[in-house]
Amino acid sequence: GENVEQHPSTLSVQEGDSAVIKCTYSDSASNYFPWYKQELGKRPQLIIDIRSNVGEKKDQRIAVTLNKTAKHFSLHITETQPEDSAVYFCAANSYQLTFGKGTKLSVIP
Amino acid sequence: GAGVSQSPSNKVTEKGKDVELRCDPISGHTALYWYRQSLGQGLEFLIYFQGNSAPDKSGLPSDRFSAERTGGSVSTLTIQRTQQEDSAVYLCASSGQGPRRNGNTIYFGEGSWLTVV
Repeated sequence: GENVEQHPSTLSVQEGDSAVIKCTYSDSASNYFPWYKQELGKRPQLIIDIRSNVGEKKDQRIAVTLNKTAKHFSLHITETQPEDSAVYFCAANSYQLTFGKGTKLSVIP
Repeated sequence: GAGVSQSPSNKVTEKGKDVELRCDPISGHTALYWYRQSLGQGLEFLIYFQGNSAPDKSGLPSDRFSAERTGGSVSTLTIQRTQQEDSAVYLCASSGQGPRRNGNTIYFGEGSWLTVV
């Protein structure tokens, strides 16, 4: 089955700096890679996703890149703000959506 | 409904008792998933339904766990003879099609917080 590795597990950045979270996957058949944000005590919510036919996608301060050859994808958050503080999960779909273990992002004002 | 609805939102039960957790997916969504999230941990896949059938039950931790879905809509996750290690948030999610379909976004409910004492 699919295996998704996510790094780092925790990340602290100063407000205004950029944050990068990286994931690798194992199943070359995976073709959909969403990112979810989970605030404390809340449900995971989709923030951005990318399909295998594109290499990069951007939505305001958030961007995701995908390297299918290397089987890795990354989340980039620019100009971080305190409200970006949360746990972020990457995922890849093969037979079912498999999640990474999460990255706890702390943005320090 | 407008979103994935789960009940109860919180449940405290005594060790050894059975519990039932309910999920009402987004109307029209054919795929339904159950995940478990222990405190501060990631999302552990439990089971996936396509319609009323469960093609993938590989994540169920033990035979104390079972799930069913009727009418292609509501699903119930049952945990028998609960143990303290079952304490977690049980998250239900749904999507319009099965996971192999490209770009198939899944939407989560708020979860059922289970505490076994």
